[in-house]
Amino acid sequence: KQEVTQIPAALSVPEGENLVLNCSFTDSAIYNLQWFRQDPGKGLTSLLLIQSSQREQTSGRLNASLDKSSGRSTLYIAASQPGDSATYLCAAYQGGSEKLVFGKGTKLTVNP
Amino acid sequence: ETGVTQSPTHLIKTRGQQVTLRCSSQSGHNTVSWYQQALGQGPQFIFQYYREEENGRGNFPPRFSGLQFPNYSSELNVNALELDDSALYLCASSRDPGGSTDTQYFGPGTRLTVL
Repeated sequence: KQEVTQIPAALSVPEGENLVLNCSFTDSAIYNLQWFRQDPGKGLTSLLLIQSSQREQTSGRLNASLDKSSGRSTLYIAASQPGDSATYLCAAYQGGSEKLVFGKGTKLTVNP
Repeated sequence: ETGVTQSPTHLIKTRGQQVTLRCSSQSGHNTVSWYQQALGQGPQFIFQYYREEENGRGNFPPRFSGLQFPNYSSELNVNALELDDSALYLCASSRDPGGSTDTQYFGPGTRLTVL
């Protein structure tokens, strides 16, 4: 059974700081690993999708990496801004199933 | 291109009642998945529908049921509501059920409160 864990559960940083969010998964048989952003009480916005054959993906100030052998993914946010404040969720798309398995998320607060 | 929409936005019900939540998938998508997100938790997979057939189910009891229509919109029905059913219900659509190359696009969710 796939389990996804995100550390830390919450993170508070000053504006401009570079930061890393961590995600680990127990079963390496994944199709892809996705990172989402969720604002309070809202739906999910897809940020980055990394295929199982890829090592990383970049979009603007965001960079996500994937290491299947160690069961880890990281989301790097450069030059953080107050508008980045949100909960960030990672999810593994499990091989042989039709579902995303989510972590509980990391709540990020960027202070002006 | 129209995104995923859900209705209603908020809903309040009492224990034992039944509820129907609705989802319109993104244009060109034939697969809809439903997730339940309790407060402070990640979303949990309920089930997926592909071309009007259930195509995978999570660990939810039979009182959670669904439908997908020919236009690929979908409904989630929950019977005999319990207090623990209070959550944000998210619908996601995708171009195919495999999900290996395409992300799932999520709607804004329906906040269900059971009193």
